[in-house]
Amino acid sequence: EVQLLESGGGLIQPGKSLRLSCAASGFTFGNYAMSWVRQAPGKGLEWVSAISGRGGSTYYADSVKGRFTISRDNSKNMLFLQMNSLRAEDTATYFCAKDIDSISYYDYWGHGTPVTVSS
Amino acid sequence: DIQMTQSPSSVSASVGDTVTITCRASQDVSNWLAWYQQKPGKAPQLLIYGVSRLQSGVPSRFAGSGSGTHFTLTITGLQPEDFATYYCQQANSFPPITFGQGTRLEIK
Repeated sequence: EVQLLESGGGLIQPGKSLRLSCAASGFTFGNYAMSWVRQAPGKGLEWVSAISGRGGSTYYADSVKGRFTISRDNSKNMLFLQMNSLRAEDTATYFCAKDIDSISYYDYWGHGTPVTVSS
Repeated sequence: DIQMTQSPSSVSASVGDTVTITCRASQDVSNWLAWYQQKPGKAPQLLIYGVSRLQSGVPSRFAGSGSGTHFTLTITGLQPEDFATYYCQQANSFPPITFGQGTRLEIK
């Protein structure tokens, strides 16, 4: 059974940093691209970042480019999102999502971890 | 960036009804189009990908169609568990991958 379990969210002040983690199990992690998708309270889904299976290619939304860094540790089946210079508009629930194959569609999602950026 | 626009933003229907949700892309996305269902407080679930391919375990009352810039999700014979918010998503051109704004399906 595929499982994705995010952690690391919380209340953080503007300008500070936070690192989200996603522990994956139930599939051959390194064979699949992975992504982060966020959802602000009461709003729709916003793609944040994606990383290829081997980690050699990374992609970012313009809204986070230069501030967020996606990475993975295939030896530990872990996905990460390092978030720096956080802003109030980064407040959202962050979902870890498994790509169905290459970077395209998401067939499994974690439960999400909430991030609140506020002073 | 490719903009995805869904209509309607919300729709009311009764159990047993047939509902169609439309998704329009600002540019041709070929067949790189998916639909997700999201219930309150839960993660989205993939329903359909590649325009019309039903994800494993998804009931056959869900059907997708379309091509290029115009796509539809049709739910035939609504069940109580289908009342949720639905999102379309394009994967033809990234970054960024983009989602529609969502369509809320409510019980009449």
